[in-house]
Amino acid sequence: QAAVTQEPSLTVSPGGTVTLTCGSSTGAVTSGHYPFWFQQKPGQAPRTLIYDTSNKYFWTPARFSGSLLGGKAALTLSGAQPEDEAEYYCLLSYNVARVFGGGTKLTVL
Amino acid sequence: EVQLVESGGGLIQPGGSLRLSCAASGFTFSSFPMTWVRQAPGKGLEWVSDISGSGGNTYYPDSVKGRFTISRDNSKDTVFLQMNILRAEDTAVYYCARGGFGVPTDYWGQGTLVTVSS
Repeated sequence: QAAVTQEPSLTVSPGGTVTLTCGSSTGAVTSGHYPFWFQQKPGQAPRTLIYDTSNKYFWTPARFSGSLLGGKAALTLSGAQPEDEAEYYCLLSYNVARVFGGGTKLTVL
Repeated sequence: EVQLVESGGGLIQPGGSLRLSCAASGFTFSSFPMTWVRQAPGKGLEWVSDISGSGGNTYYPDSVKGRFTISRDNSKDTVFLQMNILRAEDTAVYYCARGGFGVPTDYWGQGTLVTVSS
């Protein structure tokens, strides 16, 4: 089974910009992996932010964006807010399996 | 309004069985694949299973294949997860979510806790 890698932790200043990445042990992440990004705050269920690399839901704040960057999926947060402090997970699809990354703990400080 | 409500969690001994349910409302249930995802205490998310809208296609990771079975009753807008031969490492909050292969996963339930312990 493939492994999906994320930065364990990142810190961003309020109002700053940060990019989280999502890599695959099988090689470059492509749109064919249909990358997802989820946000989870303590004690809450996950919330889907981004699907199919870069598509947003109506509830996704405009400051979040998804892309492919250097062979990885990327989630960029521009203008970080204190409420963005959370765990962020990516999810990649492989034929008949789906694999989550280990998560990135984002601190806004 | 889309709602997903899981139930059926609890304390179960190793080797035992448990069936989780996820009742859906607010959308045409049979038109959407459904997903189960779990999260062990203090750990990350793990994909557990997907089922197509008709129920004809199911998918599992190796960690649960042969022990867990996903199914759905489209007449009752409910998806199930039958879990057999439970192990301590299956202890987790189990979430159901709308979506799966080919359809974006969007809405999530609040989860139900399964504890496997003697």
